[in-house]
Amino acid sequence: VMIQSPDSLAVSLGERATINCKSSHSVLASANNKNYLAWYQHKPGQPPKLLIYWASTRESGVPDRFSGSGSGTDFTLTINSLQAEDVAVYSCQQYYITPWTFGQGTKVEIK
Amino acid sequence: QVQLVESGGGVVQPGRSLRLSCVASGFTFSSFAMHWVRQAPGKGLEWLAVISYDGNNQYYADSVKGRFTISRDNSKNTLYLQMNSLRGEDTAVYYCAKAPTNTGTGWFDPWGQGTLVTVSS
Repeated sequence: VMIQSPDSLAVSLGERATINCKSSHSVLASANNKNYLAWYQHKPGQPPKLLIYWASTRESGVPDRFSGSGSGTDFTLTINSLQAEDVAVYSCQQYYITPWTFGQGTKVEIK
Repeated sequence: QVQLVESGGGVVQPGRSLRLSCVASGFTFSSFAMHWVRQAPGKGLEWLAVISYDGNNQYYADSVKGRFTISRDNSKNTLYLQMNSLRGEDTAVYYCAKAPTNTGTGWFDPWGQGTLVTVSS
């Protein structure tokens, strides 16, 4: 089970947004020391977009204001200097064990 | 560029069947595992099924096991989801998504635009 917090947050333009994701089990593989966790951005009417994989590797083309951190069971997605186009729902996902599972999503809005 | 296009959604009565398709382009379809994921209204994303690159291995979420079947035709670059015994709780937008590996392990990227399935009498 993946639990995100908060369920929603409102942040002023240019400020930082922080989203947390907690897994009920560790997603850190000892064989390669990688965390099997991804983050997605989902805007209305569009498919989810991959932002981060391996917990902290930014997908090509994703602005560097997006960053991922954490290990084991606790992870964070940080959006530095929030822009208007960042309004969306953000979801974490573990791919360490089947079934692949997502967090419930965190809605980010402009204050 | 890599593109996935779903089709086959619509309104269907409870207990009936529907088959979704996902046509892939821009990459070697036969080299990668593929997933189906859905999002019910007001809910989060739910992974449903994965199929390996060669179609020999499939895994399902408990919520659809025994009712849904994932398959692929690599000669047509097409992924399928056969949905039987549909229920109201199956109402959702259904997405296909590409895995970064041939087994399915990994993140989902890219995703198709989604196709809406509504189960209602």
